[in-house]
Order: sequence, then structure tokens, then C-alpha cells
Amino acid sequence: QLQLQESGPGLVKPSETLSLTCTVSGVSISNNNYYWAWIRQPPGKGLEWIGTIYSSGTTYDSPSLKTRVSLSLDTSMNHLSLRLNSVTVADTAVYYCAAQRNLFGEPQPWGQGTLVTVSS
Amino acid sequence: QSVLTQPPSVSGAPGQSVTISCTGSRSNIGAGYNVHWYQQLPGEAPKLLIFADTNRPSGVPDRFSGSKSGNSASLIITGLQAEDEADYYCQSYDNRPNWVFGGGTKLTVL
Repeated sequence: QLQLQESGPGLVKPSETLSLTCTVSGVSISNNNYYWAWIRQPPGKGLEWIGTIYSSGTTYDSPSLKTRVSLSLDTSMNHLSLRLNSVTVADTAVYYCAAQRNLFGEPQPWGQGTLVTVSS
Repeated sequence: QSVLTQPPSVSGAPGQSVTISCTGSRSNIGAGYNVHWYQQLPGEAPKLLIFADTNRPSGVPDRFSGSKSGNSASLIITGLQAEDEADYYCQSYDNRPNWVFGGGTKLTVL
């Protein structure tokens, strides 16, 4: 059964880089049948797509975040990585990862999410 | 400002039906891209409720259904129950293919 679990530091200082990991179990992330997406949700607000990475390493990034976002795969650890640089308080959010069988297919399952707070 | 437009809130009494609309444009829903719907309970991750416009994942009650026409989609919930009280989000794609979301609708069961 495919499962995803996000992890990373819960607190990041302004101007620093946020780094998160999404550990995948139940399937190899190098499996060409999956796309892997990152989504975030600021407290009390709606959902925002950050980007998607394919098993080949091809990425699709949100236009509003693409200058600060880097998505990657670590096939040896079977996890995805998200790096967001130059963070501000506006980047405080719960960060989720999700799996898709095709680029426009249903995102399922999602991880439980991890809260990242940007504060000095 | 969300790309897809949803009403901020809807309400209904137990047993009644409610419809949540999701309006986009010709570059997303109107272009034929899939629309997905999520239910989010407080403190939980979004749960996929409807995928590809009208399909229910295994385990989702048939009280939940989806439709799409033109630039808009709808989530219909019949036989409202107290546990349906949650936030609901629609999601589609543009041609990049970026994900686009609605701003979310809070459902209150009276």
C-alpha cells in the first residue's frame, strides 16, 4: 500500500532555506508510473500547489514559487525533497506531498502534512 | 485570489442536499481538464472525495457526487449528515500543467 510521510524542521528563520522530505513506502519512486506533488496550506487558508516531479526528474513548478523552489528525488532513500529558499513569514504553512498515476490524474494518497513556521 | 471560485460557505439541515459550485475559465475547467474535489476535516489532510469530474474513490459514500459543464463543476451532497461538516476544495489544472484550486467552501450542517 502506497504511503507518504513528510518530515523536516518545524521552525525556519526568515531568509533561510526550508528543506523537507517526503518518505515514500509501498512503491519505488523511480517507478515510471508516478508523479510526485508538493502542496501547502497556510494556517486558516486554502491550498496552494508548489510543484510536481516525475520519476525521470522532470519538474513542473508553480509560477509564483519557481524562482525559489527546488524539487528532487533520492532514489537510494526512496524519498522526495523540497527546498524553498529565502523564506518569509508568508511561507508558514502545512506542507503536503501527494502521488499521482498521471500528470492530470487524481492526487492520491496524500501525506499527513508537516507544519513549518517561519519566525526569528 | 484563487483561480477557481467557490462560495465561502454553504449550509443545510441533516437529510437535506447541498451543492458547492466551482467556477473556472476556458484555460482550466473549460479546457476539459479533470476536476477533483477534496474534503478536509479540522486538523486533517485533504481527503480525495471525487476525481476526474464524477468518480468516487473506494470508500466514499454515494451521497457525494460530482458534475461538470462548461467552465464550471459542482459537488453535490445528498442526505446531509453531521460528519459532513468540513471544508471542501475543488482542484483542476491549466495547460502548463499547473494545479489550480478553489478557495474552499465551509459546509455547516445546521
